[in-house]
Amino acid sequence: NAGVTQTPKFRILKIGQSMTLQCAQDMNHNYMYWYRQDPGMGLKLIYYSVGAGITDKGEVPNGYNVSRSTTEDFPLRLELAAPSQTSVYFCASSLLTGASGNTIYFGEGSWLTVV
Amino acid sequence: ELKVEQNPLFLSMQEGKNYTIYCNYSTTSDRLYWYRQDPGKSLESLFVLLSNGAVKQEGRLMASLDTKARLSTLHITAAVHDLSATYFCAVGPQGGSEKLVFGKGTKLTVNP
Repeated sequence: NAGVTQTPKFRILKIGQSMTLQCAQDMNHNYMYWYRQDPGMGLKLIYYSVGAGITDKGEVPNGYNVSRSTTEDFPLRLELAAPSQTSVYFCASSLLTGASGNTIYFGEGSWLTVV
Repeated sequence: ELKVEQNPLFLSMQEGKNYTIYCNYSTTSDRLYWYRQDPGKSLESLFVLLSNGAVKQEGRLMASLDTKARLSTLHITAAVHDLSATYFCAVGPQGGSEKLVFGKGTKLTVNP
């Protein structure tokens, strides 16, 4: 009963380093999303994908890249990490477009600290 | 630009009491979500509201949507300690955009 799986759960990066947050879902969902949550704030959309090979920017895409080569996986790449990217990152997925009111399922989150 | 405002941001209440959390949004929307988040955990979907006048209930929680007022409420009836969590509303811009906008959340503490 995996759902949306994110790795790693915790990571400390040095300024300027790069890393990839992995996200996989086993529900055959078409739509996948990456959000970040800063302390005391709501979630903000970084990138989303409506299917394999198709991605689009969200509200806060700068400093991140994504790819979607398969239905199951949606990795988020951080290039040249900056302290402003210290946050909790959530991956999410939905069977159909969220616009139809489909439930969006979230992963457990990845805590990233950039020092 | 769609803005979502929740209030209150912090709510401390006694067990057995009733209270309401408010979610206002600034532009026309075609869907509204309520989520629960426990400390250090992921978000759990509570309700999806799609139309004016929609009301949904699950246990001690009831959510409603007034699209004309651009307002959703999450009503808590006879609160119990297990309801302590942070509650978020999220609004989808009209037109089917995937770009949900979240409120800052309401941290609810229910005291015995």
